[in-house]
Amino acid sequence: DGGITQSPKYLFRKEGQNVTLSCEQNLNHDAMYWYRQDPGQGLRLIYYSQIVNDFQKGDIAEGYSVSREKKESFPLTVTSAQKNPTAFYLCASSSGGSSQPQHFGDGTRLSIL
Amino acid sequence: AQSVTQLDSQVPVFEEAPVELRCNYSSSVSVYLFWYVQYPNQGLQLLLKYLSGSTLVKGINGFEAEFNKSQTSFHLRKPSVHISDTAEYFCAVGGNQGGKLIFGQGTELSVKP
Repeated sequence: DGGITQSPKYLFRKEGQNVTLSCEQNLNHDAMYWYRQDPGQGLRLIYYSQIVNDFQKGDIAEGYSVSREKKESFPLTVTSAQKNPTAFYLCASSSGGSSQPQHFGDGTRLSIL
Repeated sequence: AQSVTQLDSQVPVFEEAPVELRCNYSSSVSVYLFWYVQYPNQGLQLLLKYLSGSTLVKGINGFEAEFNKSQTSFHLRKPSVHISDTAEYFCAVGGNQGGKLIFGQGTELSVKP
């Protein structure tokens, strides 16, 4: 079945560490997105990519980095510069058109030790 | 600029009762509207979408929504809810460059026996 796979489901980070969240899709979608979800704040866009080797900052990109070397993969790195990284992170993909819905993975919950 | 306002953060309702979750939007571009559902510790699942045509849109799980251009609303309705409908519901507006979606803050639907 086609879909989006995020791993790991739960992730713990020590102070000062960078961590990378994985997102893989087999939907042949051009566009991919990373969101951060905090209680009562909805979804906030971190980064998005419309094509391979290109990506743009979203609304809250500070302290995060991404790469898009393959169409299927869009990993997110939470750097030590992100002072409040504890959150639920969601990856999504779409065909990229402005009328197209996004398809979501099951998320990664990141916590600080 | 686009924005989405979900007018209720929490909606408690008894099983088999009707429910309406309210969503207002503002947009200066073509409007594409979506409702998503999120169960605990999972990603978002598309319930329904409005792209054009009939203003009454039917989705999965017995939900429907009505697009009202004059009132800039896209309220979600279900005539009879089940315990299994307990979840968080997000309204989103598209039409942006790169396929970006703007999400509301979410409405937590709690169905009680």
